Amino acid sequence: GESVGLHLPTLSVQEGDNSIINCAYSNSASDYFIWYKQESGKGPQFIIDIRSNMDKRQGQRVTVLLNKTVKHLSLQIAATQPGDSAVYFCAENKVGNYQLIWGAGTKLIIKP
Amino acid sequence: DADVTQTPRNRITKTGKRIMLECSQTKGHDRMYWYRQDPGLGLRLIYYSFDVKDINKGEISDGYSVSRQAQAKFSLSLESAIPNQTALYFCATSQWTGGASDTQYFGPGTRLTVL
Repeated sequence: GESVGLHLPTLSVQEGDNSIINCAYSNSASDYFIWYKQESGKGPQFIIDIRSNMDKRQGQRVTVLLNKTVKHLSLQIAATQPGDSAVYFCAENKVGNYQLIWGAGTKLIIKP
Repeated sequence: DADVTQTPRNRITKTGKRIMLECSQTKGHDRMYWYRQDPGLGLRLIYYSFDVKDINKGEISDGYSVSRQAQAKFSLSLESAIPNQTALYFCATSQWTGGASDTQYFGPGTRLTVL
């Protein structure tokens, strides 16, 4: 079936370095993608989204890149901080569709 | 105060018991959702509601039922709990903006253990 998946279940980065979290998707009809951050003991929190008519979108310290040719999504976090430690999920859906398809998540660990 | 609240936060119960998880929101959103999260997996949709009179099954609705008592309240019931329903349950809300995909906002979760 169609799904969203992640290449790396765990990512360790040095504090201050940039982090890149990757996600592959298989549903060619998906045209809206979202990154969520889930800290321990909390619900997922929206970080940033991107539509399929865009290749890149920037937020505060975060950038999402979309490569539709290879169906790949990435989240870049600049100058990673201890507070960035969390599990990061990508999710996709078709504009107007109620149902998000979630990836399994990548755990980001920050090394001091 | 949190915009999306869930009660209880933790619950341990026995096989065969009826359990109700409650969700309330103060965001004024019309859409509400119930998800389940298992270790190492993403979220899976159980039920969703676009308004008080609209209830729809999600990906994994078997063994669950819901009630939308008001725009701000959406409860999830397990009629006869079984051990494989042990999981983390999340409620979420969103507001449809007429074409643009709506961002979902999540509650803190309920950790349910069925013995």
